[in-house]
Amino acid sequence: SQKIEQNSEALNIQEGKTATLTCNYTNYSPAYLQWYRQDPGRGPVFLLLIRENEKEKRKERLKVTFDTTLKQSLFHITASQPADSATYLCALDMNTGKLIFGQGTTLQVKP
Amino acid sequence: EAGVAQSPRYKIIEKRQSVAFWCNPISGHATLYWYQQILGQGPKLLIQFQNNGVVDDSQLPKDRFSAERLKGVDSTLKIQPAKLEDSAVYLCASSLASGGRVSEQFFGPGTRLTVL
Repeated sequence: SQKIEQNSEALNIQEGKTATLTCNYTNYSPAYLQWYRQDPGRGPVFLLLIRENEKEKRKERLKVTFDTTLKQSLFHITASQPADSATYLCALDMNTGKLIFGQGTTLQVKP
Repeated sequence: EAGVAQSPRYKIIEKRQSVAFWCNPISGHATLYWYQQILGQGPKLLIQFQNNGVVDDSQLPKDRFSAERLKGVDSTLKIQPAKLEDSAVYLCASSLASGGRVSEQFFGPGTRLTVL
């Protein structure tokens, strides 16, 4: 079955730096990959979606890359701010409408 | 626009008791999902509805969990009887997607269940 791995260790960075989070998957490549943000006590919030034929997607300070050869997606936040501190989840969509989530990586941005 | 509503927000029960959660999706969203999120893990899909039909319930423990979406709008998820390992946050989500097409999902705040 499909497995998704995100770095379980928290990522601590200084304000203003670029945060890079990794999402690796096994087996076959998904048709789509989505990234969500989750704050404590709240449900996940959609951030970005990237298709298998897209290499890169940007939205404001966010950038997602998708490498089907490496079976990996990278999620970047440039000019990070303390308000970016949260858990970030990647999710694979095999073109069925069903999402398979990774365990999430917690990002802590220090002022 | 109003988001996905869930109630209750918190529930504490004894093992072997029953519990029900309610979800009201965003108006017009055809697809509704129930997820279980155990502390430190990502959400795991329990059941997916399209309108009032079940699309995927392969990971729903059907001996104790049940869900329905009457009239293709609101949905309820029930656990009977509850076990200690059911302690988790139960998230409801909805999306415009239908027919297996991809779309972002909108999540409710979740119900935190503690089974003692």
